[in-house]
Amino acid sequence: ETGVTQSPTHLIKTRGQQVTLRCSSQSGHNTVSWYQQALGQGPQFIFQYYREEENGRGNFPPRFSGLQFPNYSSELNVNALELDDSALYLCASSPDRGTEAFFGQGTRLTVV
Amino acid sequence: TQLLEQSPQFLSIQEGENLTVYCNSSSVFSSLQWYRQEPGEGPVLLVTVVTGGEVKKLKRLTFQFGDARKDSSLHITAAQPGDTGLYLCAGGSGGGADGLTFGKGTHLIIQP
Repeated sequence: ETGVTQSPTHLIKTRGQQVTLRCSSQSGHNTVSWYQQALGQGPQFIFQYYREEENGRGNFPPRFSGLQFPNYSSELNVNALELDDSALYLCASSPDRGTEAFFGQGTRLTVV
Repeated sequence: TQLLEQSPQFLSIQEGENLTVYCNSSSVFSSLQWYRQEPGEGPVLLVTVVTGGEVKKLKRLTFQFGDARKDSSLHITAAQPGDTGLYLCAGGSGGGADGLTFGKGTHLIIQP
């Protein structure tokens, strides 16, 4: 039990729509990261937030955006969904930047 | 671009046997983490190694970080069916702004 919870667990969306995924980090952790894991692949880094500001970003287009709130919750927003966005989206909570990452159970997004 | 290669990709052995999986890179990492992931779930952190040459033991699991901090290995003694899962290694850089770089993982099946 990592104390990191994500919602919803499963989601089906239509191509072109927008989606918001939510994460509740472990209490006291000031850093949250989001990852995309396609089937058969390792997780790919999307971006990281530290104290409510974006701290780093992977190779993902601007239609992937995020927010981090003071109450240890965060959001991942994806606009103009594409079929290739179908994946398991993982939120990871860390006590500080560059420290161990503790993952939630993920949200399985299917785009049809 | 930092890459982590894991080998073997798939491994199926009998209960009681020993095994080693490898994680290799041409890049230097400030830390390396090993995770185990069950289907449809988020990765669960097993161990973090930060010092070149470091060895950590977790019951029947032994983790080693290479002297040059470019590679790592996971050795399991007397494997049990409960060890079945996807084992992922992930490299971290100082500060964490680049997130974790994951390998594709080793799918391990322990047959009773």
